[in-house]
Amino acid sequence: EIVLTQSPGTLSLSPGERATLSCRAGQSVSSSLAWYQQKPGQAPRLLVYGASTRATGIPDRFSGSGSGTDFTLTISRLEPEDFAVYYCQQYGSSPRTFGQGTKVEIK
Amino acid sequence: QVQLVQSGAEVKKPGSSVKVSCKASGGPFRSYAMNWVRQAPGQGLEWMGGIIPIFGTADYAQKLQGRLTITTDDFTNTVYMELSSLRSEDTAVYFCASSSGYLPEYFQHWGQGTLVTVSS
Repeated sequence: EIVLTQSPGTLSLSPGERATLSCRAGQSVSSSLAWYQQKPGQAPRLLVYGASTRATGIPDRFSGSGSGTDFTLTISRLEPEDFAVYYCQQYGSSPRTFGQGTKVEIK
Repeated sequence: QVQLVQSGAEVKKPGSSVKVSCKASGGPFRSYAMNWVRQAPGQGLEWMGGIIPIFGTADYAQKLQGRLTITTDDFTNTVYMELSSLRSEDTAVYFCASSSGYLPEYFQHWGQGTLVTVSS
């Protein structure tokens, strides 16, 4: 199975700052990568698929990039509602796998 | 807009089975894959498996092979997840999630989650 490694584990930032989250795959997944946001007690929400396509209704401050094994989710200016845990997920092969998550917390 | 509504919380004994349902509305049920993802307390997300309703074929994570069964009822637009031989490590919130197409790729819509507690 393809292992996804996210970094950093925790990102401490202030509202208005830029957040850069990394996801590295153990082998190439081409562009078959998605990003999710999860808040406590809630189901995850799809943010990005195909490495860089925003899902319906996702603000343009969220952007995804990368291909192959290295991917990035960027939040250009953090809003208060963006503090959450973010997961990457690959669907290039089965089983589908998730990264361990990056927590974006208020500094 | 697809909406997914799951059945309620369950408490089960080790060695028993649990069956969780997920009713879909707002979309053509047979046109998109349905998946199950679980999250142990304080942990990350784990894909368990998915089913392609139009073909009736399921794909399971290897670690759950033999214990996991995913089925659908086309008459009620419901997908079921049954996990047998439960152990304490199966305590988790179980989510159903639909893909955008008929392959279990990324997960576009999610149910609200069902807490399954395995305890003697």
